[in-house]
Amino acid sequence: GQQLNQSPQSMFIQEGEDVSMNCTSSSIFNTWLWYKQDPGEGPVLLIALYKAGELTSNGRLTAQFGITRKDSFLNISASIPSDVGIYFCAGSSGSARQLTFGSGTQLTVLP
Amino acid sequence: NAGVTQTPKFRVLKTGQSMTLLCAQDMNHEYMYWYRQDPGMGLRLIHYSVGEGTTAKGEVPDGYNVSRLKKQNFLLGLESAAPSQTSVYFCASSSTGTGGEKLFFGSGTQLSVL
Repeated sequence: GQQLNQSPQSMFIQEGEDVSMNCTSSSIFNTWLWYKQDPGEGPVLLIALYKAGELTSNGRLTAQFGITRKDSFLNISASIPSDVGIYFCAGSSGSARQLTFGSGTQLTVLP
Repeated sequence: NAGVTQTPKFRVLKTGQSMTLLCAQDMNHEYMYWYRQDPGMGLRLIHYSVGEGTTAKGEVPDGYNVSRLKKQNFLLGLESAAPSQTSVYFCASSSTGTGGEKLFFGSGTQLSVL
């Protein structure tokens, strides 16, 4: 099946710093999604990307759909304590039942 | 604002016992899914349904059964639990058409099989 490599696996940063994480795939995707999971909760959609090269922002979050359609990046600017959680990328080549999830990036924000 | 509701939140089973997890959504979504989440492995699709009365296998279906008798409910069953099924289980739903890959998740069920 399709494989998604998400990195880094974990990050420890100081409050106020910027964060960058990425996902790469062995296959081409038509859609890239970024989810955040708070402790004890299910993932919540942050950003959806539908077009190669697309750059989309949601507040302090910015995500990009790679030109090759095999990668995506998520950046968080000026991190705050509530950014703590696990961030998942997910790629789809057609529909939700074909979604492949990355293994997640655990983000810790230190005061 | 219920969205997707899963019950129970926690469960402990002995090997060989059976149980059913219930998922309910109030968004009138056609598609529903069951995932399992294991450390370092992201989310893996167990079974899914594209409408009332339909079910299909996902990536890791062995040892699980599902039913979708009503559009708003999706049940996940374990007939004979095994320690390898210790995991966090998430139900999700989505609409059809454009944007259908945007999943709405429940808050999860932590299952331990001893």
